[in-house]
Amino acid sequence: DQQVKQNSPSLSVQEGRISILNCDYTNSMFDYFLWYKKYPAEGPTFLISISSIKDKNEDGRFTVFLNKSAKHLSLHIVPSQPGDSAVYFCAASASLPNTGNQFYFGTGTSLTVIP
Amino acid sequence: NAGVTQTPKFRILKIGQSMTLQCTQDMNHNYMYWYRQDPGMGLKLIYYSVGAGITDKGEVPNGYNVSRSTTEDFPLRLELAAPSQTSVYFCASSPLPGLAGVDEQFFGPGTRLTVL
Repeated sequence: DQQVKQNSPSLSVQEGRISILNCDYTNSMFDYFLWYKKYPAEGPTFLISISSIKDKNEDGRFTVFLNKSAKHLSLHIVPSQPGDSAVYFCAASASLPNTGNQFYFGTGTSLTVIP
Repeated sequence: NAGVTQTPKFRILKIGQSMTLQCTQDMNHNYMYWYRQDPGMGLKLIYYSVGAGITDKGEVPNGYNVSRSTTEDFPLRLELAAPSQTSVYFCASSPLPGLAGVDEQFFGPGTRLTVL
């Protein structure tokens, strides 16, 4: 059962415009969320995170929004650049003791930024 | 720091063969993980370890074994390869969680395994 879902397998946006990537989760115990970026033939790399005590976290061009009541988070990239073209994974964790810092990953959204 | 390294990068196995996927990290992280990623799917946790000598099953452990004799190394063993194990395998590590109770994981470049 997929506890973290990314319902859009792909997204194309024009350079300079906003990219919005969405993620939904089902487990109400999740309280920490991360976005990872993955280029072909490489491992995922950490992009940005948010704790459930916040509803927004910003880092440069990247902003993550969390709506706990809807169990939904989104990643906004503004402005989008061609180098942002990659697969983006959403991941969620329940910060419980003795759980080994486990994360549950979504299926990914492939973002293409068109120059 | 090399970070997380994995060998080999690619491997083709015949059904029933065995092999070990190697993973090493030089960041002195306590936690290490093995994931598999099937086409169009997310990463699924196979096994994880919270320290040398301690391992535990993830979501999809069947057909795999692990060991953790040192902090640095976390090999994944396939004993009887099956076509269903065709996948890309990622190793990851993370430090002890901080105040948030969780921490990011650092990933290796992956091993692409095909079982024919």
